[in-house]
Amino acid sequence: EVQLLESGGGLVQPGGSLRLSCAVSAFIFDNYVMTWVRQAPGKGLEWVSTITGSGDKTYYPDSVKGRFTVSRDNSKNALYLQMDSLRVEDTAVYYCARDKWLVRAPDYWGQGTLVTVSS
Amino acid sequence: DIVMTQTPLSLSVIPGQPASISCKSSQSLLNSDGKTYFYWYLQKPGQSPQLLIYEVSNRFSGVPDRFSGSGSGTDFTLKISRVEAEDVGVYYCMQSIQSRTFGQGTKLEIK
Repeated sequence: EVQLLESGGGLVQPGGSLRLSCAVSAFIFDNYVMTWVRQAPGKGLEWVSTITGSGDKTYYPDSVKGRFTVSRDNSKNALYLQMDSLRVEDTAVYYCARDKWLVRAPDYWGQGTLVTVSS
Repeated sequence: DIVMTQTPLSLSVIPGQPASISCKSSQSLLNSDGKTYFYWYLQKPGQSPQLLIYEVSNRFSGVPDRFSGSGSGTDFTLKISRVEAEDVGVYYCMQSIQSRTFGQGTKLEIK
């Protein structure tokens, strides 16, 4: 069974940094594009980043570009999201997700990890 | 940026009755490769989103056949032929032809 497990969330002050991790299992990790999506409390879904299977290409929306960095370690079956210069509006549950093979959309999602940016 | 607009934002349905959700995109989602990069997700209360429909009309593995997707270009529809109690939650459309954006969500409740 495909599993994704996020960790690393917590409380951080505005301007601070946090690194999220996502451990995956039961699929050939380096074959898959991976995506991060977030959801602010009581709000809808917002795409945060996508990384190719080899890690050679990354994509971000303007809202996080230059502040967030997605990476992966295929030898460890792990996905990461380095978040710098955090803002109050970055407060959200962050989901790690696997893109469906040859489809530009996630098919399996983790349970999410909560990031709270507050002073 | 492509804007995804869902209607209605909420609906209340009697079990066994049909339901329909519309999603309109600000630009065509038909790509030069012939694929239309449009999807439907359901987020049940307290859970992560789950993929229902990919590329307009393809049901994801395990999705009941009472769910169907249709549409083209900029106008898309999700239909539930007979709503069941387990279908409650928030439905989101998503595009991925140009980065990725979600609709604002449609909350379905049982009447």
